Amino acid sequence: NAGVTQTPKFRVLKTGQSMTLLCAQDMNHEYMYWYRQDPGMGLRLIHYSVGEGTTAKGEVPDGYNVSRLKKQNFLLGLESAAPSQTSVYFCASGRGGLSLYNEQFFGPGTRLTVL
Amino acid sequence: TQLLEQSPQFLSIQEGENLTVYCNSSSVFSSLQWYRQEPGEGPVLLVTVVTGGEVKKLKRLTFQFGDARKDSSLHITAAQPGDTGLYLCAGNSGGSNYKLTFGKGTLLTVNP
Repeated sequence: NAGVTQTPKFRVLKTGQSMTLLCAQDMNHEYMYWYRQDPGMGLRLIHYSVGEGTTAKGEVPDGYNVSRLKKQNFLLGLESAAPSQTSVYFCASGRGGLSLYNEQFFGPGTRLTVL
Repeated sequence: TQLLEQSPQFLSIQEGENLTVYCNSSSVFSSLQWYRQEPGEGPVLLVTVVTGGEVKKLKRLTFQFGDARKDSSLHITAAQPGDTGLYLCAGNSGGSNYKLTFGKGTLLTVNP
């Protein structure tokens, strides 16, 4: 039982390049989330999904796209990376409506640097 | 917009000392969670408190939810270097909104 896994762990991009971050969970959770964590800003929600085939915007969605084609996977895409997207990205999953408390389980993170 | 304010922002103490960190809001939450994040890792759920006035203990960690469900505290007794990390509180407003509101965290360093 691996929980939530993220690939890659580290990535360096040049401005304008594109990339996709992959998140996978083996807990059969309905809800999945993408956050970014920056010094002094805390965790900020980028996009989330309440089930396979659904996505919704979070607090800071601009410059990112997501897809949830399979229940266990949640992909975060950067079409044209900018230095402002340098951050640590965390994926999380949870039972959502099946849980009274909305407890979330996080992956280990992807550290992205955009030059 | 719901906000969670955590204090202090930074805390550096010696091994064996006791400490308390706080999580405050003007909003009511149906439940509140505490996470610990170690350097280079993702946050890990420590506890969820649900009832106003509730106290939960996890070994040397004591968590309390305020009576009005607007605030919470985390008390650590006899801190150890292994307690070092970023402590995050997160509030759940309940209903159909399954997003969490996170505080910015308290960065705790316990020196040997």
